[in-house]
Amino acid sequence: DAGVIQSPRHEVTEMGQEVTLRCKPISGHNSLFWYRQTMMRGLELLIYFNNNVPIDDSGMPEDRFSAKMPNASFSTLKIQPSEPRDSAVYFCASTPRGTGGLGEQYFGPGTRLTVT
Amino acid sequence: AQSVAQPEDQVNVAEGNPLTVKCTYSVSGNPYLFWYVQYPNRGLQFLLKYITGDNLVKGSYGFEAEFNKSQTSFHLKKPSALVSDSALYFCAVSGGSNSGYALNFGKGTSLLVTP
Repeated sequence: DAGVIQSPRHEVTEMGQEVTLRCKPISGHNSLFWYRQTMMRGLELLIYFNNNVPIDDSGMPEDRFSAKMPNASFSTLKIQPSEPRDSAVYFCASTPRGTGGLGEQYFGPGTRLTVT
Repeated sequence: AQSVAQPEDQVNVAEGNPLTVKCTYSVSGNPYLFWYVQYPNRGLQFLLKYITGDNLVKGSYGFEAEFNKSQTSFHLKKPSALVSDSALYFCAVSGGSNSGYALNFGKGTSLLVTP
């Protein structure tokens, strides 16, 4: 099993540009989570999906952020327009089907985003 | 709403000594508690969880944690620390179905084990 796959691993962009982060969860997992990690704020849950449906997006900072999960094997997190304060490491995680939502979350390696 | 607190930013331990990383929680209803570890430039890895049952939970790499309801704590422990245990440790809590099973993580505690 390849684990949770995230791309790109590193992204450097200029303020105002659109950024799209991608995540492929582990096959057979039906819950997917997007987190953001910064030194100042720690690890924050942005949004999570269950069976491709967004369940809670209250952690999404503002309208510049959007997330989609068009199918069970793919999710995107988009920032448009990006700002320097969006610089962080963004993690995607998934949990296995049948664990009732309390299963182990498997984290991807993260995408380190730098907005200049 | 549920939350956890990790009161120590850093814990220093000599190799071979026991280690404890502290965590307290706040949740309405039954708590579901987790510990994760993060090595540099890596994603988080699951160590252990408490859902119900025995208050002493054993996990990966020789770690264990004790659920204490009266003190609302879930401290992570290991009898004998290894240098390779040096990493960032996160406690997390879920409120279960009341919150859609989302996890709230603490700020993290950096563990440094010296030879």
